[in-house]
Amino acid sequence: DIQMTQSPSSLSASVGDRVTITCRASQTISSYLNWYQQKPGKAPKLLIYAASSLQSGVPSRFSGSASGTDFTLTISSLQPEDFATYYCQQSYSIPRTFGQGTKVEIK
Amino acid sequence: EVQVVESGGGLVQPGGSLRLSCAASGFTFSDHFMDWVRQAPGKGLEWVGRTRNEANTHTTEYAASVKGRFTISRDDSKNSLYLQINSLKTEDTAVYYCAVDLGYNIGGTWYSNFRHWGQGTLVTVSS
Repeated sequence: DIQMTQSPSSLSASVGDRVTITCRASQTISSYLNWYQQKPGKAPKLLIYAASSLQSGVPSRFSGSASGTDFTLTISSLQPEDFATYYCQQSYSIPRTFGQGTKVEIK
Repeated sequence: EVQVVESGGGLVQPGGSLRLSCAASGFTFSDHFMDWVRQAPGKGLEWVGRTRNEANTHTTEYAASVKGRFTISRDDSKNSLYLQINSLKTEDTAVYYCAVDLGYNIGGTWYSNFRHWGQGTLVTVSS
């Protein structure tokens, strides 16, 4: 199985901050990487697919990038509604696997 | 508009069984792979399994942690997905989500993703 390792597991940031979350795959997954946002009591929401493509309706302050087996989700200017938990997920192979999540909290 | 609604969760004793349902609308159900994902209280997301579309003869895949106890099925005539859970364990306590793999074709390559999710249904396994 492909292991997805996210870092950090949590972070504190202020509104307006630039936030970066990293996800590392245990083997090559090309660009088969998705990012989701989850708020308490809600289902996850797709933000980024194919490593760097922005899902329709998602604000442009969210972006994704890839370098080998390392993937990054960046929020360019954190907004109050962005405080949530973020998960990466590989779609390269079965079983699908998720990172352990990164909780973004208010500083 | 795509809508996905799960049902069937509840309180079950260890060793018991439960059948979850997922009703979908707003897209051509038979064309798409459908997955179940679960989330234990306070924990992360765990993929449970999937059923492929009609063109792929509805074949299924499962996570190792549930293989042999969980069975995924679908009824394309009813736009519905099911998860039969047997021999329930306390560690199966979770919110179970139905997820639609609508994916995207980018330059001839299919990129799978869970574009739509239901609201989830809670399964609690406890004596």
